[in-house]
Amino acid sequence: SQQGEEDPQALSIQEGENATMNCSYKTSINNLQWYRQNSGRGLVHLILIRSNEREKHSGRLRVTLDTSKKSSSLLITASRAADTASYFCATVGYTGANSKLTFGKGITLSVRP
Amino acid sequence: GAGVSQSPSNKVTEKGKDVELRCDPISGHTALYWYRQSLGQGLEFLIYFQGNSAPDKSGLPSDRFSAERTGGSVSTLTIQRTQQEDSAVYLCASSPGGQATYEQYFGPGTRLTVT
Repeated sequence: SQQGEEDPQALSIQEGENATMNCSYKTSINNLQWYRQNSGRGLVHLILIRSNEREKHSGRLRVTLDTSKKSSSLLITASRAADTASYFCATVGYTGANSKLTFGKGITLSVRP
Repeated sequence: GAGVSQSPSNKVTEKGKDVELRCDPISGHTALYWYRQSLGQGLEFLIYFQGNSAPDKSGLPSDRFSAERTGGSVSTLTIQRTQQEDSAVYLCASSPGGQATYEQYFGPGTRLTVT
């Protein structure tokens, strides 16, 4: 069952614009991660934010986490056509030894050149 | 270095047949995960192996699904008596350990089509 719910479900922007994607989740988490998927195949890890962190940066990516609202956002600045992909948030809960990822449904980002 | 590899990349099988999907994790990674991605269910966890511990099978959808991990490395996911609803992309991931803060490295997936 999905833990994260992303919105919007689809986003289309012009190259150079910023893209903001949101994710909400339901239960307490150890951390939240964002992944990118191209062409419906393997996922690539983008960034991880721990439950005691509020903001994290990696290159053109900025992720925030609000545990009181159980939500996160991923900002991609100065988008490029190559950023076109599906983006998933995934949470890791406090489930003993299992660090499985629980994914949202994903956001399809299209960046127009 | 080599990433996670999966084989075959595509598999078409007839309903009722058994299939085996293979995953080769990154060398030295002790944790291995199987996920399934389908149009109706999105990305869902199937099974998790960590070192020599008993696997967490809580995500397997039915007893037709099983998985093994031999020698702490290669894993095989077996689906018996395949059904059309088993059609999906099966993704394998590995990580250096079972800690929650490790990122997971995904393979390219096996696209299974049951006709």
